[in-house]
Amino acid sequence: LAKTTQPISMDSYEGQEVNITCSHNNIATNDYITWYQQFPSQGPRFIIQGYKTKVTNEVASLFIPADRKSSTLSLPRVSLSDTAVYYCLVGSPLTGANNLFFGTGTRLTVIP
Amino acid sequence: EAQVTQNPRYLITVTGKKLTVTCSQNMNHEYMSWYRQDPGLGLRQIYYSMNVEVTDKGDVPEGYKVSRKEKRNFPLILESPSPNQTSLYFCASRGDGAYNSPLHFGNGTRLTVT
Repeated sequence: LAKTTQPISMDSYEGQEVNITCSHNNIATNDYITWYQQFPSQGPRFIIQGYKTKVTNEVASLFIPADRKSSTLSLPRVSLSDTAVYYCLVGSPLTGANNLFFGTGTRLTVIP
Repeated sequence: EAQVTQNPRYLITVTGKKLTVTCSQNMNHEYMSWYRQDPGLGLRQIYYSMNVEVTDKGDVPEGYKVSRKEKRNFPLILESPSPNQTSLYFCASRGDGAYNSPLHFGNGTRLTVT
């Protein structure tokens, strides 16, 4: 299972766009990239998932370059309520749901 | 409302006193899993279950037991808790065996072992 590398922390001002990049050099052909968000004292919550190019939903966008060795979670116009830890995971539907690696994530702090 | 429910939310116990943390989901999910979260170490998987009566070890299974007698329940058992099991525990479930189904997490159980 491919492991991921993310920045430990980031700060941003309210209203700015935030981009969090995740490195996954050993990503396999069948792996998907999934991002979760975790607020203090709560369980992680699914944000977005993609395989290649760009995926957008009501919360975020996910950019995946052609080589798929990295991905970037983009949060438009962040607010104080976006302060959280963000996790990037990679894995394959073909290998099932075993032993997902969350790592330590990226702690985003939004400043007023 | 679709949810994963853990109980209790907070638990303080003493070394060696057996305890069980319950986890229940109402989404008819096959896959369930337990994680522990410690500062600087992120989320680490303890055990997971692909379906009823099917369980397997994750990254850190030592000192823990699980059972999956019913699809909706996946209790975590600490037969003889020790202080190094003080942690924040999360239960999660997923709809099918495919990785690209998102995990649904409970709100956590904060365990302190003295």
